Amino acid sequence: EIVMTQSPATLSVSPGERATLSCRASETVSSHLAWYQQKPGQAPRLLIYDASTRATGLPPRFSGSGSGTDFTLTISSLQSEDFAVYYCQQYNKWPLTFGGGTKVELK
Amino acid sequence: QVQLVESGGGLVKPGGSLRLSCAASGFTLSDYYMTWIRQAPGKGLEWIAHISSSGVSIHYRDSVKGRFTISRDNARNSLYLQMDSLRAEDTATYFCAREMERLTPDAFDVWGQGTLVIVSS
Repeated sequence: EIVMTQSPATLSVSPGERATLSCRASETVSSHLAWYQQKPGQAPRLLIYDASTRATGLPPRFSGSGSGTDFTLTISSLQSEDFAVYYCQQYNKWPLTFGGGTKVELK
Repeated sequence: QVQLVESGGGLVKPGGSLRLSCAASGFTLSDYYMTWIRQAPGKGLEWIAHISSSGVSIHYRDSVKGRFTISRDNARNSLYLQMDSLRAEDTATYFCAREMERLTPDAFDVWGQGTLVIVSS
C-alpha cells in the first residue's frame, strides 16, 4: 500500500503567521491528493482536492501544491479557527491511505 | 442540507457482530460512490471500505476483508457496514463519507459525525 508520511507531527504557530505542512507518498499518486482538517470531536472536513483545488467556500489563505510524491499545504496567515489536525490522503490507488496527521497548535 | 448520519455503534464483545447504518439526506445517494472510514481513539484516519453507486464494485482494506461487508440500499438512501468477528483493534469511531462524483476513487467531500464502536469483554 502507499504510505503517506506527514511532517512535522506538531507545528507550533502564532496567529497571523504562515504554516507549511508537508506530505510525502511512498510512490507517485499523481495529483490525486486531498487535505482534510479535523477539530476535536468533529468529523474531518475536505479542504483541498486534486492537490491544489480548494473545496467550496474555503478561504484563500489555504493553498495546496505538489504532484507525484511531494505535497504541501500552506496556511498563509493562521487564524484562531485554523488550530486543528490536518491529514493528507491519496486516492490514486487502493487501498486509500491517509497520512498520520499534523497538529497545528498555538505557540 | 446535505447530510450523513451514522447509527448502530455500541459496545460489543470480541467475536461479536454489529451493523452500522448511514442515512443520507439532501442529495440522491444513488448518484455517489460511498466509503467507510474509521478512527481509533486518539489516532489517525483509516479507510476501510468503498462501494460504487450501483453496489457492483466494492473494495476493502485487507485487515477487514472477510469480516466486514459494505452494502447500500439506494431506495432507502442508506449505506451499511456489517461487522462480524470483531476484534479489540476494531475499536474506533466509524465515519461514512461521500466520494466526489468524478473519479474512482475520489476525495471525500461530505462526512457523517461518526458512530463509536467499542470491542471489549
